[in-house]
Amino acid sequence: AQTIHQWPVAEIKAVGSPLSLGCTIKGKSSPNLYWYWQATGGTLQQLFYSITVGQVESVVQLNLSASRPKDDQFILSTEKLLLSHSGFYLCAWSLMGTEVFFGKGTRLTVV
Amino acid sequence: GQQVQQSPASLVLQEGENAELQCNFSSTATQLQWFYQSPGGSLVSLLSNPSGTKHTGRLTSTTVTKERRSSLHISSSQTTDSGTYLCAIASSGSWQLIFGSGTQLTVMP
Repeated sequence: AQTIHQWPVAEIKAVGSPLSLGCTIKGKSSPNLYWYWQATGGTLQQLFYSITVGQVESVVQLNLSASRPKDDQFILSTEKLLLSHSGFYLCAWSLMGTEVFFGKGTRLTVV
Repeated sequence: GQQVQQSPASLVLQEGENAELQCNFSSTATQLQWFYQSPGGSLVSLLSNPSGTKHTGRLTSTTVTKERRSSLHISSSQTTDSGTYLCAIASSGSWQLIFGSGTQLTVMP
């Protein structure tokens, strides 16, 4: 069975510090991968998607970057956090044109 | 671009009552999913239903593609059904799943 694991579960970081969030999908070959973000009380927004290793497309500009170093791994990062980066980050996967499944998320608080 | 409107924004029920949630979207959707978001934030896929009617357990979704609307019916609600229900749409050729702002459901004992 396929599993999706996100890490860390929660982070408290200082403004200006770097960030790296990770996501691993097991049990599926060559999935489409996504990063989503939700501000507190806000609507989920897609940030990035990747359909293959090494290729990532940006959907919303939030001074974040994403990489897919392996088929089953998706990384979200920034070198300098802003207060506006606070929120809930979700990784997701799907196969072509099918149902999307989400990880449990990472709650980020920037102080 | 694609817009997704959900109604009502919030709903309070007594346990055992039925709930009807609505989702309207602005452009043709080739993918439509209903999700449950727990108070902690995690998302669970409930139904994938781009057209027609689908059932799972106490949930029934009906999507009328031509009218760009979908509904989620929850029968015999339970307190554990409390949370936020989200509708999400993708259009043909798009990699982007667009979410509505959700319906917050509270089921009272």
